[in-house]
Amino acid sequence: QKEVEQDPGPLSVPEGAIVSLNCTYSNSAFQYFMWYRQYSRKGPELLMYTYSSGNKEDGRFTAQVDKSSKYISLFIRDSQPSDSATYLCAMKTGANNLFFGTGTRLTVIP
Amino acid sequence: NAGVTQTPKFQVLKTGQSMTLQCAQDMNHNSMYWYRQDPGMGLRLIYYSASEGTTDKGEVPNGYNVSRLNKREFSLRLESAAPSQTSVYFCASSEAVGSQETQYFGPGTRLLVL
Repeated sequence: QKEVEQDPGPLSVPEGAIVSLNCTYSNSAFQYFMWYRQYSRKGPELLMYTYSSGNKEDGRFTAQVDKSSKYISLFIRDSQPSDSATYLCAMKTGANNLFFGTGTRLTVIP
Repeated sequence: NAGVTQTPKFQVLKTGQSMTLQCAQDMNHNSMYWYRQDPGMGLRLIYYSASEGTTDKGEVPNGYNVSRLNKREFSLRLESAAPSQTSVYFCASSEAVGSQETQYFGPGTRLLVL
């Protein structure tokens, strides 16, 4: 079993829709949770960073962490064509090493 | 500000050939990483360097060697390339600000081993 599981999609939504992206994990020692966005043929870039359980909002993006269920989510409100990318969840314990999900490819259709 | 740069962008090798992937960062970060990204597998850590002069194995180190040449540069070497090493390779560097540590990625090197 992988430490981090993520549905690869692909996911297609119309412009303006609310998008929900999710990851589950098995290691209860994970404390730091991240979402990265990766455009085609580019490196990943950090989108959201949360510590432990709870919600974090940044503009149209909301990250949720439920440690009791070992489940994290990223919500994108009012999705735009420029949001079309692959979204990677990542998490770690206190050490440096990140564990990534496989990524979900999102297309927002104008 | 260039951030993390990688060379080459694309390379084709024959089985058994060797090559070195170069990575440099201009953000004065202590930690640097090498990942490979494969379809259905996500990003997997090959090696990392927590500081100049130190390197440690990650999840998939077999077939690779690394050198932390100085604080800026971290290279990845394939001594005898195999088709299983066909992948996209990403270098990253990181800094910790309070409790948050952010990894910054380079644009990647696409490697095809025939």
